[in-house]
Amino acid sequence: DTAVSQTPKYLVTQMGNDKSIKCEQNLGHDTMYWYKQDSKKFLKIMFSYNNKELIINETVPNRFSPKSPDKAHLNLHINSLELGDSAVYFCASSPSGTGSEQFFGPGTRLTVL
Amino acid sequence: GQSLEQPSEVTAVEGAIVQINCTYQTSGFYGLSWYQQHDGGAPTFLSYNALDGLEETGRFSSFLSRSDSYGYLLLQELQMKDSASYFCAVDSNSGYALNFGKGTSLLVTP
Repeated sequence: DTAVSQTPKYLVTQMGNDKSIKCEQNLGHDTMYWYKQDSKKFLKIMFSYNNKELIINETVPNRFSPKSPDKAHLNLHINSLELGDSAVYFCASSPSGTGSEQFFGPGTRLTVL
Repeated sequence: GQSLEQPSEVTAVEGAIVQINCTYQTSGFYGLSWYQQHDGGAPTFLSYNALDGLEETGRFSSFLSRSDSYGYLLLQELQMKDSASYFCAVDSNSGYALNFGKGTSLLVTP
């Protein structure tokens, strides 16, 4: 059984387009996250949600809009894609609270041409 | 601001012991985590330290000194499959945000 799943795994698109990445977790966790990993492998938190409520927005451009329709899903919509958005995007989930292990999805490799 | 420093690359021989250090400066601190990531894969959790001292999990151990803003990951009896990137990460927001270091690429050679 897949714990945290993301679709699509690969996304190739043109500058200026709008795209979405979907994430689902079946672990019953309260907290979900989006991370961006750049070409140098730097992993940076973008958003975190707890019980569908936005908790953290790490100065991400407002072209990025997360949506959590329920506790098990956290989707990421990106408007007006730019070259610099090319990266691997990871969704993760964890139980609430400090010290909780975060479970990462397989990642979505976004390439903007 | 937040900053975490860890070596960019480490090479070690199979069967040896290697230590990956992490120093941090953060505005809030709840604990230090370590994650492993193989090329093309997702980060996976290794350990978490909230209090000073050593935590041991099989071949891996992690240490924290809060007063020194320092921690390390110790890998013993290295195996080829341990070749991967290792990230330290500070929990600075009650579990709602992990700030990751830039990662240490470990290469285990025969």
